[in-house]
Amino acid sequence: EVQLVESGGGLVQPGGSLRLSCAASGFTFSNYWMTWARQAPGKGLEWVANIKPDGSETYYVDSVKGRFTISRDNAKSSLYLQMNSLRAEDTALYYCARDHGSNSFHYWGQGTLVTVSS
Amino acid sequence: QSVLTQPPSVSAAPGQRVTISCSGSSSNIGSNYVSWYQQLPGTAPKLLIYENNKRPSWIPDRFSGSKSGTSATLGITGLQTGDEADYYCGTGDSSLSAGVFGGGTKLTVL
Repeated sequence: EVQLVESGGGLVQPGGSLRLSCAASGFTFSNYWMTWARQAPGKGLEWVANIKPDGSETYYVDSVKGRFTISRDNAKSSLYLQMNSLRAEDTALYYCARDHGSNSFHYWGQGTLVTVSS
Repeated sequence: QSVLTQPPSVSAAPGQRVTISCSGSSSNIGSNYVSWYQQLPGTAPKLLIYENNKRPSWIPDRFSGSKSGTSATLGITGLQTGDEADYYCGTGDSSLSAGVFGGGTKLTVL
């Protein structure tokens, strides 16, 4: 059974940093693109970043470029999102998702909540 | 403002059919596969349709997808009260080198 379990969310002050993790199981992690998406409270989904299976390519939504870094450890079947210079508008539930390879996400975690507030 | 445009809400009676539209441009829907997601209240999104019109094995054939040019459509037949949810379209955008989602459509089954 495919499982994605996010962790690392919490309350952080504006300008602060947080590192999210996503532990994957039930599939060969190193074969798949992986994606972070987020959903602000009461709002729609927003694609945040994705990473190639070998980690050699990464892509970001414009609003997080230069502040967020997506990475992975295939040996640990884990995906990460390092978030720096956090802003109030980054407050959201962050999901990791497995990309089928055609911009479709067949499996999603339950999300981890990030709140940026003073 | 989302790159992909969806109606904010749609409604229909139980047993009826409803469609949800998703409009984009040549750089996203026009040149990439479209997927659709259902999000029940308080839960993570669930894939309904991928590669424009394919259903994962766990999705009943009441759900269907189509794409024409720069628009895509999700169809749901035999509506049930359990279908009340938010629905999102998604695709890639070649100009942005990023994924994009529609703003979401709230389905009400009257």
